[in-house]
Amino acid sequence: DAGVIQSPRHEVTEMGQEVTLRCKPISGHDYLFWYRQTMMRGLELLIYFNNNVPIDDSGMPEDRFSAKMPNASFSTLKIQPSEPRDSAVYFCASSQTGTGAFFGQGTRLTVV
Amino acid sequence: QKEVEQNSGPLSVPEGAIASLNCTYSDRVSQSFFWYRQYSGKSPELIMSIYSNGDKEDGRFTAQLNKASQYVSLLIRDSQPSDSATYLCAVNTGGFKTIFGAGTRLFVKA
Repeated sequence: DAGVIQSPRHEVTEMGQEVTLRCKPISGHDYLFWYRQTMMRGLELLIYFNNNVPIDDSGMPEDRFSAKMPNASFSTLKIQPSEPRDSAVYFCASSQTGTGAFFGQGTRLTVV
Repeated sequence: QKEVEQNSGPLSVPEGAIASLNCTYSDRVSQSFFWYRQYSGKSPELIMSIYSNGDKEDGRFTAQLNKASQYVSLLIRDSQPSDSATYLCAVNTGGFKTIFGAGTRLFVKA
């Protein structure tokens, strides 16, 4: 398996624009997590899915953030409109029930 | 109180020494515990999982769990410069929600 695949690896966008981050989890994994990492706040859990169903989105900072998982092999995290304070590295991770999660390479988002 | 707490370090040890990394968690119902290693500019990499009280060894790494004290630790024996990284403690709380600590930076001096 190729592991968790995220795209794009880097994204630079202007404030106010819509940003969509994409993730393909490891086949057979039933959990998918979206994290955001910054120097100040560390690795924060934004939302996680079990069998494509959102379980807990309490970490999503604002209504500007939304996430979907239309099927077992694809998820998106969308920010609309984006703001400079959204600049961070966004990670997608997947796991099987109760086991450790495997991370993608991350998307480095810069909002100018 | 943060859900998962770690000393941010940096922790500096000489090559060949034992590095000891510690983590405490607040949710008593937590059942699964993990250690990740993250090199600068890279994604976290799972290195150890532990689910029951006691020690679990894997090569130079030993994870220790004490659920009564809500304490998890990672020992790295014969530390190498290549072990220099940030080590993240992660805990599965109820519902398999995985929460990470802030991480401990480890420097191994050659």
